[in-house]
Amino acid sequence: TQLLEQSPQFLSIQEGENLTVYCNSSSVFSSLQWYRQEPGEGPVLLVTVVTGGEVKKLKRLTFQFGDARKDSSLHITAAQPGDTGLYLCAGVKGAQKLVFGQGTRLTINP
Amino acid sequence: DAGVIQSPRHEVTEMGQEVTLRCKPISGHNSLFWYRQTMMRGLELLIYFNNNVPIDDSGMPEDRFSAKMPNASFSTLKIQPSEPRDSAVYFCASSYPQGTYGYTFGSGTRLTVV
Repeated sequence: TQLLEQSPQFLSIQEGENLTVYCNSSSVFSSLQWYRQEPGEGPVLLVTVVTGGEVKKLKRLTFQFGDARKDSSLHITAAQPGDTGLYLCAGVKGAQKLVFGQGTRLTINP
Repeated sequence: DAGVIQSPRHEVTEMGQEVTLRCKPISGHNSLFWYRQTMMRGLELLIYFNNNVPIDDSGMPEDRFSAKMPNASFSTLKIQPSEPRDSAVYFCASSYPQGTYGYTFGSGTRLTVV
């Protein structure tokens, strides 16, 4: 059983479309992080959200932390082929232990 | 900084052989983590160290797995004897003690046990 459930697991859309990826849990996390992983490489940190209700923007990416600090979403506006990759959410348990979701494999078609 | 360095990048070994994976964390990072990634189970935390001391090894699957961190700049993950079900990508990551700063991952070691 995954502590963090991501949906959808797979998403294939056309360039220019918008999309949202969800990360849900029944547990409360002290913070939540989003990573992006490309083939043959390790995950790379995109953002950390700490406060319930927090919204952070990274160019065309918008990250939101739920009010209860149990869930998060990633919204991409006007997706581009360069956004293709595996997106992982990870919750911080205790001081520093990171628990990862299964990931959302995103493909943006030109 | 060269980032987290893992070696080897690829390892193919026969069942029953000993496998040693290596990791050099980022200088100044006090915490080091070993993860395993498979399609079925995603990223699983195996063990992590703070200041070279193992803190949580509850994710280590069996006694066949062991990890050491003899100093702040080096860690190993050993599998002895290896089995085909150990085939996966093994990642090392390092961070400052507070997890909210995020982890820096290495490029991983793809292990295939035949």
